[in-house]
Amino acid sequence: QLQLQESGPRLVKPSESLSLTCTVSGASISSDDYYWGWVRQPPGKGLEFIGSIFYRGKTYYNSSLRSRVTISVDTSRNQFSLRLTSLTAADTAVYFCARRDTGYTLRYWGQGILVTVSS
Amino acid sequence: DIQMTQSPSSLSASVGDRVTMTCRSSQAIGRSLNWYQQKPGTVPKLLIYGASTLEAGVPSRFSGGGAVTDFTLTISSLQPEDFATYFCQQAYSSTSFGGGTKVEIK
Repeated sequence: QLQLQESGPRLVKPSESLSLTCTVSGASISSDDYYWGWVRQPPGKGLEFIGSIFYRGKTYYNSSLRSRVTISVDTSRNQFSLRLTSLTAADTAVYFCARRDTGYTLRYWGQGILVTVSS
Repeated sequence: DIQMTQSPSSLSASVGDRVTMTCRSSQAIGRSLNWYQQKPGTVPKLLIYGASTLEAGVPSRFSGGGAVTDFTLTISSLQPEDFATYFCQQAYSSTSFGGGTKVEIK
């Protein structure tokens, strides 16, 4: 059974950077069939796709976040990671990792991690 | 970027009601439209993909329709476990989500 688990800090200061890792278990991240992505959801609000990565390193980023986002993959650890820079309070959200299937269909999600940006 | 608009933003309904919500895209997206259900404090769950294909294990009371720019999600007979927020997602050009429709108990 495929499982995804986010890890990282839950509190980050404004202007600093956020690094989150998603650990995939139950399947190899090195699949030709899927991308692996990040989605976030501010408290009480809707969903925002951040970006995704193929195990060979090809990435897609949301145009509104592209200047601040880097997604990377570590196939040896079956993990992929998100780095978001220059944080503000507007980046406070639950961050989900997910498997991106054909057509950006998101079938499998991590449980999410609430990240608060505050001094 | 493609903008997705859902309406209404919330609705009140009773168990057994037929409920329909809509999702409109700012440009044509064919049938590249997915629907998700999210209950408070939980992860979004895929209900429908390709505008009308029911995900495995999703009850048949859920149905999706539409194409090009206008789409619908219908629950034929609302059940207690269906009270949740529903999001549409376009997958035609990168991806983007609608703001959600919250289905509340009347």
